[in-house]
Amino acid sequence: QVQLVESGGGVIQPGRSLRLSCVGSGFSFSSCGMHWVRQAPGRGPEWVAAIWHDGSNINYADSVKGRFTISRDNSKKTLYLEMNSLRADDTGLYYCVRQVQVPYSGYAYDFWGQGTLVTVSS
Amino acid sequence: DIQVTQSPSSVSAFVGDSVTITCRTSQNVNKWLAWYQQKPGEAPKLLIYSASTLQSGVPSRFSGSGSGTDFTLAISSLQPEDFATYYCQQAESFPLSFGGGTKVEIK
Repeated sequence: QVQLVESGGGVIQPGRSLRLSCVGSGFSFSSCGMHWVRQAPGRGPEWVAAIWHDGSNINYADSVKGRFTISRDNSKKTLYLEMNSLRADDTGLYYCVRQVQVPYSGYAYDFWGQGTLVTVSS
Repeated sequence: DIQVTQSPSSVSAFVGDSVTITCRTSQNVNKWLAWYQQKPGEAPKLLIYSASTLQSGVPSRFSGSGSGTDFTLAISSLQPEDFATYYCQQAESFPLSFGGGTKVEIK
């Protein structure tokens, strides 16, 4: 069965850096577009970043552009999110999500990890 | 950027009732809209994509309709496990965006 397992979250001071990882299993990781979506406490989901199956195309939300970097290692079936210059409003649960693998389905997400919590606080 | 507006923000209903949730996008997203259900302490779960395609394993009492800028999620005969928060998401173009959510509560 499809599994996405995130790690790397924690409590971090403003201005510092953190790297999140997500290991995928039970599916062809190298064939799938992958995204990071975050959710602040009590708020709705917010899209953060996306990467094509082969890493050839990458997109970021304006709120993280220039500070966060999404990448992947298909040989390790792992998705990454490098987060620099962290701010208090980056606090939230960060989900690794898989794009629906049906042609012409847009950028919807059919599998979500359990999330890893990032708390930015001094 | 495409703004996504959901209404209502909350609704109270009895088990067995039907509920309709509306999602409006600020630009034409064709049929590229998805609906998710989220329960406390859990990740969102995909219910519908491409506006009206039911995700595998989702009960048929859930249905989606619409295209362009106006979309609807309908839940017929509410079951106890359906009480949750529902989000729509425009899946057409970057930056992707979600609606503010609709909490379906037990009356």
